[in-house]
Amino acid sequence: GESVGLHLPTLSVQEGDNSIINCAYSNSASDYFIWYKQESGKGPQFIIDIRSNMDKRQGQRVTVLLNKTVKHLSLQIAATQPGDSAVYFCAEKTQGGSEKLVFGKGTKLTVNP
Amino acid sequence: EAQVTQNPRYLITVTGKKLTVTCSQNMNHEYMSWYRQDPGLGLRQIYYSMNVEVTDKGDVPEGYKVSRKEKRNFPLILESPSPNQTSLYFCASSFGSSGRRVEYFGPGTRLTVL
Repeated sequence: GESVGLHLPTLSVQEGDNSIINCAYSNSASDYFIWYKQESGKGPQFIIDIRSNMDKRQGQRVTVLLNKTVKHLSLQIAATQPGDSAVYFCAEKTQGGSEKLVFGKGTKLTVNP
Repeated sequence: EAQVTQNPRYLITVTGKKLTVTCSQNMNHEYMSWYRQDPGLGLRQIYYSMNVEVTDKGDVPEGYKVSRKEKRNFPLILESPSPNQTSLYFCASSFGSSGRRVEYFGPGTRLTVL
């Protein structure tokens, strides 16, 4: 597969464990955050998003937590499976202007059977 | 099936030979973007378009052109490719509603410029 990044932060977990992937953002004016999953050789795939007026949002097996005080975002994956192995990116958007997403560099998650 | 398609998926070319990477989406999205992804640098936006005939530069626009003549298509043009444009390119389309912006990505185009 294609490598999406060298020297990425990595997280290795056992199958069935919960995973927590962290992301620090820099712009206190960001009002929207989103997580993507990128498997080897594929484009990024949307997982879950959250607006800044919330501090927690849950999806299927995933939860995003937002702490605006310390500008920190996390993605929790419950009962991690081998198919969850991928690079995970967070992105932020600032209200108004170009509406563009600014992406973090990613974390590589490896799930061991 | 809702999707973003890109062509070609892989391309090897030589310095200075003009090329176009096509992008098409079938979700009726107004917003489309091009990104490049390089090891250690993550995804960086090259150009974006908020609607037909409306395009603007992203973070790394030098050496690239785009056009948006139709809502569904957003081609990326390299008039005179150089080796530093060797990269993995992604097209994306998105909707925005109530402050959200969910980008849907194509499968990527691996470009090598010799």
